[in-house]
Amino acid sequence: GAVVSQHPSRVICKSGTSVKIECRSLDFQATTMFWYRQFPKQSLMLMATSNEGSKATYEQGVEKDKFLINHASLTLSTLTVTSAHPEDSSFYICSARPSDRGREKLFFGSGTQLSVL
Amino acid sequence: SQQGEEDPQALSIQEGENATMNCSYKTSINNLQWYRQNSGRGLVHLILIRSNEREKHSGRLRVTLDTSKKSSSLLITASRAADTASYFCATGPDSSYKLIFGSGTRLLVRP
Repeated sequence: GAVVSQHPSRVICKSGTSVKIECRSLDFQATTMFWYRQFPKQSLMLMATSNEGSKATYEQGVEKDKFLINHASLTLSTLTVTSAHPEDSSFYICSARPSDRGREKLFFGSGTQLSVL
Repeated sequence: SQQGEEDPQALSIQEGENATMNCSYKTSINNLQWYRQNSGRGLVHLILIRSNEREKHSGRLRVTLDTSKKSSSLLITASRAADTASYFCATGPDSSYKLIFGSGTRLLVRP
């Protein structure tokens, strides 16, 4: 099966610092990746759609300058939380859509728990 | 924006019993998918049902879709303690392949 690797799995940082989260598709190419945010015991909220070689498409209410997304290759997308604050603490999950197989099904990373002190 | 609502929000059953979860959505869809999430982990795809399908089976899973009512149900038969997890429905509203997730059902299967 397709594997998506997400790192780090957990990060604790001071307020004001920036944090980068990586999402890699290990055995397939992914033209499109998605970034979600999840609060405890709640659903996943789509933040943005990341397209290889082009700008990300952000959902309404998501700050582009706060959550920088880069999809520089067909196997890697990164989410950078800039100048993180305690309210940015959350569980962030990426997913990837394979370019060359059944396209509706997504494969998810294992998530990153961000805690901003 | 969140597309679907699921009920119940939480479900506790005994091992061996069946578990039924329901999902409602708001707009037209191309397909509806069910995912499972163990606590603090990523999601695992369970099953996909297309808008022109009414029922689908996969092992102990049975999914139904009623597009006239904009609803779907997931049935897990002969539940096991290992089925304990959160279950989410997700809809693909258009050709962009993005998924909008429902509110989820937390299932606890007691041994």
